[in-house]
Amino acid sequence: DAGVIQSPRHEVTEMGQEVTLRCKPISGHNSLFWYRQTMMRGLELLIYFNNNVPIDDSGMPEDRFSAKMPNASFSTLKIQPSEPRDSAVYFCASTLTSGGAIGELFFGEGSRLTVL
Amino acid sequence: DAKTTQPNSMESNEEEPVHLPCNHSTISGTDYIHWYRQLPSQGPEYVIHGLTSNVNNRMASLAIAEDRKSSTLILHRATLRDAAVYYCILRRTGTASKLTFGTGTRLQVTL
Repeated sequence: DAGVIQSPRHEVTEMGQEVTLRCKPISGHNSLFWYRQTMMRGLELLIYFNNNVPIDDSGMPEDRFSAKMPNASFSTLKIQPSEPRDSAVYFCASTLTSGGAIGELFFGEGSRLTVL
Repeated sequence: DAKTTQPNSMESNEEEPVHLPCNHSTISGTDYIHWYRQLPSQGPEYVIHGLTSNVNNRMASLAIAEDRKSSTLILHRATLRDAAVYYCILRRTGTASKLTFGTGTRLQVTL
């Protein structure tokens, strides 16, 4: 199994530009999570999907952030316009949710974003 | 969600056992205790979880206090590759609950 695949691994952009991060979950998993990690705030849950439907987006910082999951094998996290404070490592994780209970989360290697 | 408290950092010598404590005094009856770890420059990875009884797997053991208000992750023989941040997390069953990470314990392993 290839695991959770994220792209790009590294992105450097200028303030004001649009950033799109991509995630391919493990085949067969029905829940997908986006996390952000910074030194100051640690690991923060941004949003999670179950069966391609957003369940909780209360962690999304503001309207500049949006996430989609058009099908079971692909999700995007978009930041428009990007700001320097968005610089962080963004992790995607997936799992199989059954009967409302969430199993072990499998994380990708992360996308390191630097906004200048 | 019930909170957990962990020491910020711990040190261990290689080849020795490591006991990583976690306090969760407000745990509810339906909360599972999960442990994840994050190696440098990697995403978190699952280690072990349990509800009431002690648990063992190939990576570690989890010892849960009888009143469930604390637990201990045991690495039987620490290696340099075990140097990581270890997170103790409570997960409520029966709901599509979030996995909320705290600050964890940074484990240093020395020769």
